[in-house]
Amino acid sequence: SQTIHQWPATLVQPVGSPLSLECTVEGTSNPNLYWYRQAAGRGLQLLFYSVGIGQISSEVPQNLSASRPQDRQFILSSKKLLLSDSGFYLCAWSKGGPSGANVLTFGAGSRLTVL
Amino acid sequence: GQNIDQPTEMTATEGAIVQINCTYQTSGFNGLFWYQQHAGEAPTFLSYNVLDGLEEKGRFSSFLSRSKGYSYLLLKELQMKDSASYLCAVMDSNYQLIWGAGTKLIIKP
Repeated sequence: SQTIHQWPATLVQPVGSPLSLECTVEGTSNPNLYWYRQAAGRGLQLLFYSVGIGQISSEVPQNLSASRPQDRQFILSSKKLLLSDSGFYLCAWSKGGPSGANVLTFGAGSRLTVL
Repeated sequence: GQNIDQPTEMTATEGAIVQINCTYQTSGFNGLFWYQQHAGEAPTFLSYNVLDGLEEKGRFSSFLSRSKGYSYLLLKELQMKDSASYLCAVMDSNYQLIWGAGTKLIIKP
């Protein structure tokens, strides 16, 4: 069976500090990978998605970046955090290839507070 | 633009039935999803509809009308553990998911 791991679960960072959130998927190959952010009381905002190693699509221009160094590893980074980066970050995967029936499976989430 | 509308919050009684509506306007349609999200946790998949009609899965059912751009999630025999947010999402013609803001469901004993 497939599993998705995301860490760290919680972090508190000062403004201007770097960020690295990591996500790995097990039990599948060539998944589509996603990073979402969820602000309190709002819908999920797609930040980045990837259909393969080194292939990253950015949905929202900001000070965040993503990388996919291995097939089942997805990393969200920032060089300098802003207060507005606070939120609940979710990694997700789905089966590769375009299909309306591809269900997203989410990691447990990372709650980031920037002070 | 693309838009998903669902009520912000609903309240229901344990043991009762509740219907959560979702209307959408998107560029194309490749299916509609419902997810459940408990407070502080990640969303989990509930249902997927791509054809008109009702899909039943235990106490939960999901309905779709593509001509009306409308779906609902029906929860029967409500339990306290059903207290959560319910997210509606539509996959558009580019296979991108458009998310609603979610409906917070409060169950009272």
